[in-house]
Amino acid sequence: DIQMTQSPSSLSASVGDRVTITCQASQDISKSLNWYQQKPGKAPKLLIYGASNLETGVPSRFSGSGSGTDFTFTISSLQPEDIATYYCQQYDNLITFGQGTKLEIK
Amino acid sequence: QVQLQESGPGLVKPSQTLSLTCTVSGGSIRSGNYYWTWIRQPAGKGLEWIGRIYTSGSTNYNPSLKSRVTISVDTSKNQFSLKLSSVTAADTAVYYCARDRYYGSGTYGMDVWGQGTTVTVSS
Repeated sequence: DIQMTQSPSSLSASVGDRVTITCQASQDISKSLNWYQQKPGKAPKLLIYGASNLETGVPSRFSGSGSGTDFTFTISSLQPEDIATYYCQQYDNLITFGQGTKLEIK
Repeated sequence: QVQLQESGPGLVKPSQTLSLTCTVSGGSIRSGNYYWTWIRQPAGKGLEWIGRIYTSGSTNYNPSLKSRVTISVDTSKNQFSLKLSSVTAADTAVYYCARDRYYGSGTYGMDVWGQGTTVTVSS
């Protein structure tokens, strides 16, 4: 099984800050990595697929990078509506999610 | 656009079988390169992939649940279903259905999700 380790598990930042979340795979997954945003009581929403491709309709302040085992998700300028939990997900071998990063406003 | 809606009992007794259905509207379940997927989330915890069924009918399951899970599709009703047998309290969760779309060049993403349905396992 491929394990996905996200860090940090929680994060507090101010509006306008640049926010970065990392995700590490237990083995090489090439670019088979997605990022999701989940707000309380709602289903997850796909933001980034294939490590760096922005899903249609998602604001350009969201971005992703990386390949192999190390991946990064960035919000270039944090907005109040970005408060949510973010998950990485690999699809190189079946599907595994990271444990999530809870993002709060400072 | 395509929408997904989960349905099924909200309460299941221990040792029984949990059965949920996901109805696809706004598009045919037979068309396109999609995996039709089930994910669950215990209260306050992270996402766990349960399994998926491809348009062709082939299935893949989470190894930790494989012995208890069956996913099937009913193209005549534009629905796919989840059965999880021998449930315990640990299976209490919000259950989501989702469409895992092929974007090309080997990339996939779960681009459409149902709203989720809460299933509690209790006597």
